[in-house]
Amino acid sequence: AQKITQTQPGMFVQEKEAVTLDCTYDTSDQSYGLFWYKQPSSGEMIFLIYQGSYDEQNATEGRYSLNFQKARKSANLVISASQLGDSAMYFCARDNYGQNFVFGPGTRLSVLP
Amino acid sequence: NAGVTQTPKFRVLKTGQSMTLLCAQDMNHEYMYWYRQDPGMGLRLIHYSVGEGTTAKGEVPDGYNVSRLKKQNFLLGLESAAPSQTSVYFCASSFPRSRVNSPLHFGNGTRLTVT
Repeated sequence: AQKITQTQPGMFVQEKEAVTLDCTYDTSDQSYGLFWYKQPSSGEMIFLIYQGSYDEQNATEGRYSLNFQKARKSANLVISASQLGDSAMYFCARDNYGQNFVFGPGTRLSVLP
Repeated sequence: NAGVTQTPKFRVLKTGQSMTLLCAQDMNHEYMYWYRQDPGMGLRLIHYSVGEGTTAKGEVPDGYNVSRLKKQNFLLGLESAAPSQTSVYFCASSFPRSRVNSPLHFGNGTRLTVT
């Protein structure tokens, strides 16, 4: 099965600092999308950012940016100026044309005051 | 603007009992999905549907059945619950995957415990 790997089960970051959450993926497709979701302790899944496989520029959404390296099959999430409210689980996901989404196991981020 | 609504939010079943989880979306999405979330394993796809009247198996379909009789609803059934089905279940919906930048929209989850 084509899988998503998130090698950091847990991460700590100091408030106001930047943090990078790693994500690598398998795929034999040429066209696909990469997504990051946030799951706070309340449990809901919140969409953060999207990167298309053909996009030449890295995606950005406010304090979130995606460091996309297609040849390495990596799609790392960068959160700048961390806030206490960023403490949550973060999931990387890949989408296949015409099919469905595959999720990684997640990284738990803790922001320290 | 409800988005994706799941009912119930919590449920406790005894082994062998049956139940149906309900999912409704008001965003006119063609695709709908059922995932289960277990600690350390992320979200795993149970079944999905690409349109009214169609369903397909995902990664972990055993012990579950689904139906999509109406575009806005996707039902997940457990015919004979087992303790291994203790999990948090998420319903999600999206536009067709041909709109590749369309994210999944999730419900708030159902916490199911099977004793």
